[in-house]
This record gives sequence, C-alpha cells and structure tokens, in this order.
Amino acid sequence: GDQVEQSPSALSLHEGTGSALRCNFTTTMRAVQWFRKNSRGSLINLFYLASGTKENGRLKSAFDSKERYSTLHIRDAQLEDSGTYFCAAVNTGNYKYVFGAGTRLKVIA
Amino acid sequence: EAAVTQSPRNKVTVTGGNVTLSCRQTNSHNYMYWYRQDTGHGLRLIHYSYGAGNLQIGDVPDGYKATRTTQEDFFLLLELASPSQTSLYFCASSDGTGGAEQFFGPGTRLTVL
Repeated sequence: GDQVEQSPSALSLHEGTGSALRCNFTTTMRAVQWFRKNSRGSLINLFYLASGTKENGRLKSAFDSKERYSTLHIRDAQLEDSGTYFCAAVNTGNYKYVFGAGTRLKVIA
Repeated sequence: EAAVTQSPRNKVTVTGGNVTLSCRQTNSHNYMYWYRQDTGHGLRLIHYSYGAGNLQIGDVPDGYKATRTTQEDFFLLLELASPSQTSLYFCASSDGTGGAEQFFGPGTRLTVL
C-alpha cells in the first residue's frame, strides 16, 4: 500500500534555532497536510498543500508531488513548538489519507 | 466554537465491554473519519463515510463497527473491547469530494483493562 516515510523520528532543538522535517511518498500524492500534536493530545492543523509552498509565521512548508516529498521548516524554535509533528498525504486514486509515523520535537532552553 | 467534537474524552472499560465513541461536526462536511493513534505510529484509518448512511472500510477495521446516522454524526462501536484497542481515537471531517483538508476533533482516550 501507499507509504509515507517521515524523518527524523525525533529531534531536539535549542531555542532560536531551526530545522526541517521531511516526508517522502512511495507514490504520487495530490495533497499533504501537516499537524502538530500538542501536550494535551490535540491535533493542530498547520498546513494543507496541493502544490507549492506556504508560510505561516516561523513555519514554512513545501510540497512537490512529482518528486514525491514534502517538507516542514521551523525557524527560531520556541519552547511551545515542542510536540509530535505528523504529515499526512492523500493519493490521486482515493480519498484516504496516509500518515507518517511522526517526528517528536523537543525544544530546549 | 469547536467544529468537530468528540465524546467521551476519556473512557475506561474492561475486556469484552461495549463502547460507543461519538463524533459530531458542524462544518457541513460530507466526509467523516475515525482514526486510532498509538505511540510510535501515525494515525491509522479505521472507518470513514462520505454521507449519512454510508460506510467505507479503512485500513485497520477489525474489531470496529461504525455508523453515520446524519451528516453531522459518526459513531465508532467496539462491541467486544480488547486490550489491543487501548488507544487515542480521533475523528475528522473534510468537505467536497474527499482528499480536502481534514479537521480533527480533540480525541478520545480509551483504555481497555
């Protein structure tokens, strides 16, 4: 079946620094979503992309359907950015999202 | 006001118990989904629906039933709960033809003893 490989599985960042999370897809996807699961267990929508890039504050995401990947860039990390980040993608053949296994981000002072 | 709500937020039951998880959305979306999320895994799709009375099988359906009674309401039923069904359950909705942006409820933590 469709697979989403998310990396890294875990990441520690010092406050003020940045990094990138990545999801690779085994097939052509038509859209991708990025979420953060916060300390209370709620899923926060970050981005939905059908193509190109989007930016919101210190977060920026890109999606390349042809090259089969999506990225989430975090800059100037803050303590409240800690949590588990998931990508999810839906392919052109059906309407089911497939999720990556998540990236556990810890921002340290 | 939250557009996707779930109840209960927490539930403890025993092996063999009967559990119903409820989800309501006020987004006027056609699609609704039930997922489970376990440590070290992404969300896995249990069942989904594209309208009242419709049910589609997801990727991990064994041990679960679901029913979509109205456009707003989607229920997940565990008729003989097992410890392997201890998990965090999320409901989501999306509009249009599916594959559109999903909006999630706050989750239900289920523990089966």
